[in-house]
Amino acid sequence: DGGITQSPKYLFRKEGQNVTLSCEQNLNHDAMYWYRQDPGQGLRLIYYSQIVNDFQKGDIAEGYSVSREKKESFPLTVTSAQKNPTAFYLCASSPATGNQPQHFGDGTRLSIL
Amino acid sequence: SQKIEQNSEALNIQEGKTATLTCNYTNYSPAYLQWYRQDPGRGPVFLLLIRENEKEKRKERLKVTFDTTLKQSLFHITASQPADSATYLCAPWDSSYKLIFGSGTRLLVRP
Repeated sequence: DGGITQSPKYLFRKEGQNVTLSCEQNLNHDAMYWYRQDPGQGLRLIYYSQIVNDFQKGDIAEGYSVSREKKESFPLTVTSAQKNPTAFYLCASSPATGNQPQHFGDGTRLSIL
Repeated sequence: SQKIEQNSEALNIQEGKTATLTCNYTNYSPAYLQWYRQDPGRGPVFLLLIRENEKEKRKERLKVTFDTTLKQSLFHITASQPADSATYLCAPWDSSYKLIFGSGTRLLVRP
């Protein structure tokens, strides 16, 4: 079945460490997104990519980095510069940006030890 | 800045009744709006998309309206079932190629 796979489901990070969250899709979608969800808040866009080898900052990109070397993959690195990284991270994809429904993975919950 | 408002209080209704959820937005005029369902610990699932020139959209027991004058969308679930219990997110589209998600309204359907 086509879909988006995020791994791991739960992730723990020590203070000062970088950590990378995986996102893979087999839907042949050009656009991919990373969101952060905190309790009682809406999804906030971290980064998005409209096509391979291209990506743009979203509303809360500080302390995060991404790469898009393959169409299927859009990993997110949470760096030590992100001061409040504990959150639920969601990856999504769509055929293109704009007027397109987004397909989401089941998220990675990141906690600080 | 753009602002999306969804009722933060849970909506608690009896099975078989119609659930109506509200989404209000301010400071922009989206060309279209999407609705998603999210279950605890899962990613959102797309339900419906409505364009600004469509007053109403239906899909099975779901109905969405879009009033660009009131800057409001209503999401209806008719003949609600306990399996409809979830959080429902509205997401008006921002012209800079992204969706702006509301914080969602939790719906609880009692048997």
